[in-house]
Amino acid sequence: AQSVTQLDSQVPVFEEAPVELRCNYSSSVSVYLFWYVQYPNQGLQLLLKYLSGSTLVKGINGFEAEFNKSQTSFHMRKPSVHISDTAEYFCAVEEAGSYQLTFGKGTKLSVIP
Amino acid sequence: EAGVAQSPRYKIIEKRQSVAFWCNPISGHATLYWYQQILGQGPKLLIQFQNNGVVDDSQLPKDRFSAERLKGVDSTLKIQPAKLEDSAVYLCASSWGQRAGELFFGEGSRLTVL
Repeated sequence: AQSVTQLDSQVPVFEEAPVELRCNYSSSVSVYLFWYVQYPNQGLQLLLKYLSGSTLVKGINGFEAEFNKSQTSFHMRKPSVHISDTAEYFCAVEEAGSYQLTFGKGTKLSVIP
Repeated sequence: EAGVAQSPRYKIIEKRQSVAFWCNPISGHATLYWYQQILGQGPKLLIQFQNNGVVDDSQLPKDRFSAERLKGVDSTLKIQPAKLEDSAVYLCASSWGQRAGELFFGEGSRLTVL
């Protein structure tokens, strides 16, 4: 069965600084990878996804992530964060064709003015 | 398009009582999911429906949880009797069922069991 590890539970960062949120996964079969964002008291919203092809994927709100198969990682970056990026971010993996997501425990990003 | 609707948003009950949550997915979405999100953890899948059939309920505590999706549209998740450890946010999500990972989530129903 697949699993997801988000290496940091909390990440504080100053406004306009860069940020990287780290995600590692384990699976014995091909996977699809995703990042979701959850703002307070709201549901989850898809930020970006890797299905196939280019290992660098771009999402909404200026986020991008890189799939590294050899390191089984899917780290996400943003070159300059805004206050509005304060939220919890979840990495998720889907074994190809299962239509089921397994989520990590989340990383709380706090942007400091 | 209208999003995934859930109700109630908040519910407080005593242990051993029962509670029901309702979800109306995005129109046309064949697949519906219920997730449980305990504070400090990621969402955990409870049950997955394809139209009105159950695809996977392996993580649903069937001694106390039940779910149904009548007519392949809206769905109800019930807990009876509730335990303290059931305190969580219950998230409903839906998808076309053909695109990997593109789930659309509702705002969730927060349950507190006292």
